Amino acid sequence: NAGVTQTPKFRILKIGQSMTLQCAQDMNHNYMYWYRQDPGMGLKLIYYSVGAGITDKGEVPNGYNVSRSTTEDFPLRLELAAPSQTSVYFCASSPTGSSYNSPLHFGNGTRLTVT
Amino acid sequence: GQQLNQSPQSMFIQEGEDVSMNCTSSSIFNTWLWYKQDPGEGPVLLIALYKAGELTSNGRLTAQFGITRKDSFLNISASIPSDVGIYFCAGHRSEGGGADGLTFGKGTHLIIQP
Repeated sequence: NAGVTQTPKFRILKIGQSMTLQCAQDMNHNYMYWYRQDPGMGLKLIYYSVGAGITDKGEVPNGYNVSRSTTEDFPLRLELAAPSQTSVYFCASSPTGSSYNSPLHFGNGTRLTVT
Repeated sequence: GQQLNQSPQSMFIQEGEDVSMNCTSSSIFNTWLWYKQDPGEGPVLLIALYKAGELTSNGRLTAQFGITRKDSFLNISASIPSDVGIYFCAGHRSEGGGADGLTFGKGTHLIIQP
């Protein structure tokens, strides 16, 4: 059972380059999320989706875009990479949107460096 | 935005010692969650708390939802090497609300000294 799979694990980008962070889950979860984790900080929500075709901004959406064409996939797009986007990115999913008995399942993260 | 103050920031302990960490907030939270993150991996849920005063155990881990709804603690008894990692508290202000409303603490880095 793969759970939440993120690719790539590591990436180095030059300023202004673009890339897509991939996230796939095989648990048929409706809800999917993208977080970023900066050193010594908690997780900050970038975008989330409550189902295929629906996405919403989180706390720190600027500089990112997402799409949700299928239940399984939730890619995160960086169009013009900036040093401030150097971070570890985590994708997560949950069966429902309720915090009751619907814990987040996290992927193993993508470590992105922008130089 | 909502703030969760998690302490301590890091802990250096000897194997076998008990560990205690906590999270506080100036706002009321209706759900408290404790996650652990191993190096190179994503956070994994340890304990979820849904009622004020609730005390829940998971093996050597015990967590409590504070009566005031503004704090929670996590205790680990008789620490072992695999307890090393970063522990995050997380809370939700809306009852039954989803993860879009989750606030995470900054984490407690647990280090076990030989």
